[in-house]
Amino acid sequence: ETGVTQTPRHLVMGMTNKKSLKCEQHLGHNAMYWYKQSAKKPLELMFVYSLEERVENNSVPSRFSPECPNSSHLFLHLHTLQPEDSALYLCASSQATAAGSPLHFGNGTRLTVT
Amino acid sequence: SQQGEEDPQALSIQEGENATMNCSYKTSINNLQWYRQNSGRGLVHLILIRSNEREKHSGRLRVTLDTSKKSSSLLITASRAADTASYFCATCQTGANNLFFGTGTRLTVIP
Repeated sequence: ETGVTQTPRHLVMGMTNKKSLKCEQHLGHNAMYWYKQSAKKPLELMFVYSLEERVENNSVPSRFSPECPNSSHLFLHLHTLQPEDSALYLCASSQATAAGSPLHFGNGTRLTVT
Repeated sequence: SQQGEEDPQALSIQEGENATMNCSYKTSINNLQWYRQNSGRGLVHLILIRSNEREKHSGRLRVTLDTSKKSSSLLITASRAADTASYFCATCQTGANNLFFGTGTRLTVIP
């Protein structure tokens, strides 16, 4: 419905688990993003891919590993997370050609780390 | 900080009233955008205003931008219960590509 689809919608994982979040966009965009949304904090930009190349990594811990196999798909691989990593993880896409292009968001994955 | 800051943090009004939310930022910008987020969902882009624009309208939305004061406002006229959501401003800084978001204003419209 939004043009950007995220799965799963909810995920509960232990600190020793490995899981992956998936994002797919059907808008023909060529830039994709991962954001982290925690309560009472600004949206935190984690990773940016433009034309399938990572162009920005805002000092995110290595336990988060992104993958962008093509312009329509984006993954976030999770490994040995901490409880403070519990948050809503949002994927977004945009046209990379113009600075500050509007973002189209998915509905997010609500992650709980136990 | 890079992101905008919305004010107030929360706002509660009666249906039919107007709602005004403000955003302040600290650096020069290319554009400023407003987004809406319903509970548990993703953000939805509402409107974009460029640094050389002062006012923009879209339906019941009116956005103003004052670059001398580094501030913007979002006005929702004739509010409806369905307008209940969180509203975020996002700034694109001059020379940058990415958007930086604030913590949002939580709007509740009481039927």
